[in-house]
Amino acid sequence: KAGVTQTPRYLIKTRGQQVTLSCSPISGHRSVSWYQQTPGQGLQFLFEYFSETQRNKGNFPGRFSGRQFSNSRSEMNVSTLELGDSALYLCASSPGRSYNSPLHFGNGTRLTVT
Amino acid sequence: AQSVTQLDSHVSVSEGTPVLLRCNYSSSYSPSLFWYVQHPNKGLQLLLKYTSAATLVKGINGFEAEFKKSETSFHLTKPSAHMSDAAEYFCVVSYRSSNTGKLIFGQGTTLQVKP
Repeated sequence: KAGVTQTPRYLIKTRGQQVTLSCSPISGHRSVSWYQQTPGQGLQFLFEYFSETQRNKGNFPGRFSGRQFSNSRSEMNVSTLELGDSALYLCASSPGRSYNSPLHFGNGTRLTVT
Repeated sequence: AQSVTQLDSHVSVSEGTPVLLRCNYSSSYSPSLFWYVQHPNKGLQLLLKYTSAATLVKGINGFEAEFKKSETSFHLTKPSAHMSDAAEYFCVVSYRSSNTGKLIFGQGTTLQVKP
């Protein structure tokens, strides 16, 4: 089975721009979660989607949004980019929403905002 | 509040010596506990998980962890470190609740392995 695929791997944007990141989960996985990873804050939960509905959201401003499609692929969007948005964005999938189901992570998208 | 604490931000061992990475969690509810490893510029890979079966959990690459409820700990060990074990390790907690899907990550422990 193919793993979780995130595209692009690297992205450089300037302040004020917007960006869209893509995540294709493992086939058959219906839950997709997004995380932001920075050296200072560590791993922070952004949101979780299941069956095209946002089920959970972390403490991020409304500039961060996402969606999930009927094939479980997910995108996240960040508008009006700020320097502090520079981070590694990780997507993870799992078959369902069970609390004891481990996540399968992609290799991430490295976003640099200049 | 639900939380997880990795007691060491950095651990350095020599190749061939034992590894101990420490993790404590808060005990509001019955947790599921995981250890993940992250190599540079890569995503996180599951090492092992505890979900209320055996308290000693064996994972991949020779790692294991012991769930100790009385100490609210879930420390990760390996008898003999290998150079390829150098990476960042995350202890992760998930709690049974009506709002599932949100994991709580520790701050990570960087493991350095010296030749």
